[in-house]
Amino acid sequence: GAGVSQTPSNKVTEKGKYVELRCDPISGHTALYWYRQSLGQGPEFLIYFQGTGAADDSGLPNDRFFAVRPEGSVSTLKIQRTERGDSAMYLCASSLGAADTQYFGPGTRLTVL
Amino acid sequence: AQSVTQLGSHVSVSEGALVLLRCNYSSSVPPYLFWYVQYPNQGLQLLLKYTSAATLVKGINGFEAEFKKSETSFHLTKPSAHMSDAAEYFCAVNRGSTLGRLYFGRGTQLTVWP
Repeated sequence: GAGVSQTPSNKVTEKGKYVELRCDPISGHTALYWYRQSLGQGPEFLIYFQGTGAADDSGLPNDRFFAVRPEGSVSTLKIQRTERGDSAMYLCASSLGAADTQYFGPGTRLTVL
Repeated sequence: AQSVTQLGSHVSVSEGALVLLRCNYSSSVPPYLFWYVQYPNQGLQLLLKYTSAATLVKGINGFEAEFKKSETSFHLTKPSAHMSDAAEYFCAVNRGSTLGRLYFGRGTQLTVWP
């Protein structure tokens, strides 16, 4: 079956601009996660949704970052006033439930010039 | 606080040699432990996971890992390396107190020489 998909695969933007990153989870998965992976580092947790609600958003670095999942399926990660330090690979994962295996998408590479 | 430590950011082995990638964790509750592999320009793929059943866990592509509570370790091994094993490997823990989020190590880049 179809895995987790993320669009776009690459995004180049200028400092100060607004960006949206999209994640399509595996059908039927109620849990959805966003992680950020900087060069040479492991993924770092950003936010976790159970259904439509954010069950844990403690990893969001500041109020420029926001994520939604209005219908409990597709999720969008939104970054306002982007900074060069936001450049990273943004990974999305989904799972049947919180204790189940997380399946990762291919990621969106964000570059802020 | 650091939850997962991967010793050695780079490991090089010859084709056919033993692969050993080290992972130590810190957790006050019994954890779930995972190894993921990441090939260039791809997302993470699950190799194997430990969920408090058998301490020796077998995964895909001939990899296995052993959970050792006394050493707080979950090292990944493969008896004979193949060129296609060259990738980055991440150890991760999912702690009961914050179920849902994975804590990843920094990763180990495995190079396999012919």
